Amino acid sequence: EAGVAQSPRYKIIEKRQSVAFWCNPISGHATLYWYQQILGQGPKLLIQFQNNGVVDDSQLPKDRFSAERLKGVDSTLKIQPAKLEDSAVYLCASSRAGGWLATDTQYFGPGTRLTVL
Amino acid sequence: DQQVKQNSPSLSVQEGRISILNCDYTNSMFDYFLWYKKYPAEGPTFLISISSIKDKNEDGRFTVFLNKSAKHLSLHIVPSQPGDSAVYFCAAKGGNNDMRFGAGTRLTVKP
Repeated sequence: EAGVAQSPRYKIIEKRQSVAFWCNPISGHATLYWYQQILGQGPKLLIQFQNNGVVDDSQLPKDRFSAERLKGVDSTLKIQPAKLEDSAVYLCASSRAGGWLATDTQYFGPGTRLTVL
Repeated sequence: DQQVKQNSPSLSVQEGRISILNCDYTNSMFDYFLWYKKYPAEGPTFLISISSIKDKNEDGRFTVFLNKSAKHLSLHIVPSQPGDSAVYFCAAKGGNNDMRFGAGTRLTVKP
């Protein structure tokens, strides 16, 4: 079974530019998550999709961040415009069930390391 | 809001000895706890979990202990192996299954 795929693996941009990240979850997984991991901190949930609907986006800075999962499979996360403090690793994860089940294990991709100069 | 805290940024142990990683939480609504392991340039991978109705869960060399009254959990690795060297994240879920992570503890197992 293929794991969660993410691209690009690394991205360097200047502040005020825009950037997009792509994630392809494990086949058949209904729930997809985007996390932001700042250096020295644990991952923080940005947005959670169940199929193509948003379950939780309470911690997504909606003035600059957007995400979509149009066909209920892969997803893109966009930042426009980027700020210096957006420098972080952006992790995508997926889980089989609806995320409401505590035992529903999340499987993470390798992440995209974003550097904003 | 640091609802999950791992107060030790790093831990070094000798191969064959026990590694004990600690985690504290503040939110009494958390009812499911997990440990993830992360190697460099990879995403976190699930290691072991425990429900709040239990106080211990064991999987091979890995055991997680939960002390609800103290809001504390720990991960024991016995015996520790050099391949266990990684960053370990403690995570907790509440009623809405929003998973909160600690900052991680870097474990180094010396041969």
